[in-house]
Amino acid sequence: EAQVTQNPRYLITVTGKKLTVTCSQNMNHEYMSWYRQDPGLGLRQIYYSMNVEVTDKGDVPEGYKVSRKEKRNFPLILESPSPNQTSLYFCASQTYFDRVSAHEQYFGPGTRLTVT
Amino acid sequence: GENVEQHPSTLSVQEGDSAVIKCTYSDSASNYFPWYKQELGKRPQLIIDIRSNVGEKKDQRIAVTLNKTAKHFSLHITETQPEDSAVYFCAASRRGAGSYQLTFGKGTKLSVIP
Repeated sequence: EAQVTQNPRYLITVTGKKLTVTCSQNMNHEYMSWYRQDPGLGLRQIYYSMNVEVTDKGDVPEGYKVSRKEKRNFPLILESPSPNQTSLYFCASQTYFDRVSAHEQYFGPGTRLTVT
Repeated sequence: GENVEQHPSTLSVQEGDSAVIKCTYSDSASNYFPWYKQELGKRPQLIIDIRSNVGEKKDQRIAVTLNKTAKHFSLHITETQPEDSAVYFCAASRRGAGSYQLTFGKGTKLSVIP
């Protein structure tokens, strides 16, 4: 089954304790992205990756790191989490866009993070 | 960068009525406009999209229209049903030259009242 998976699904942690949220896709997609969703603010992009070893900042990258060592995996790292990073996080992936047809972004199930 | 405004933020309709959600975008180079539906506790899922060379696209009870000159696009849902209740997000993207970034609106919570 084609899917994007995230782990953990729920996480409660304390300020300053490093954490990693994993994201994996089995569709051989080149593009992967992380979003955070907050009430009233919609989905905001944190980081994205065009392919292996190619990553770039989105709209709200402060306090986050990513890596793309393998095509299928795109972990999100919070080196020193703070309460303002309490949010719902989504990973998404997409295949190469061509001029003939558009391709949708497939979202993972989400990770609800609480930082106290 | 791109900025997408979405209205209204909440919308309540009676079952069977139509619902319209509107979005405007700022980057005239944007050429791809998807709509995502997010049911409570679930992930966003694509329901329909439109490209800039098309003015309207329809899929059963949902349709999207695009006005490039005015830089706005709309989602139309006819004969609404309770299962249409969800948060809907519009987005805009400038596709081509390897760009895949989506800029999302802030969402519209649609409630269909039986």
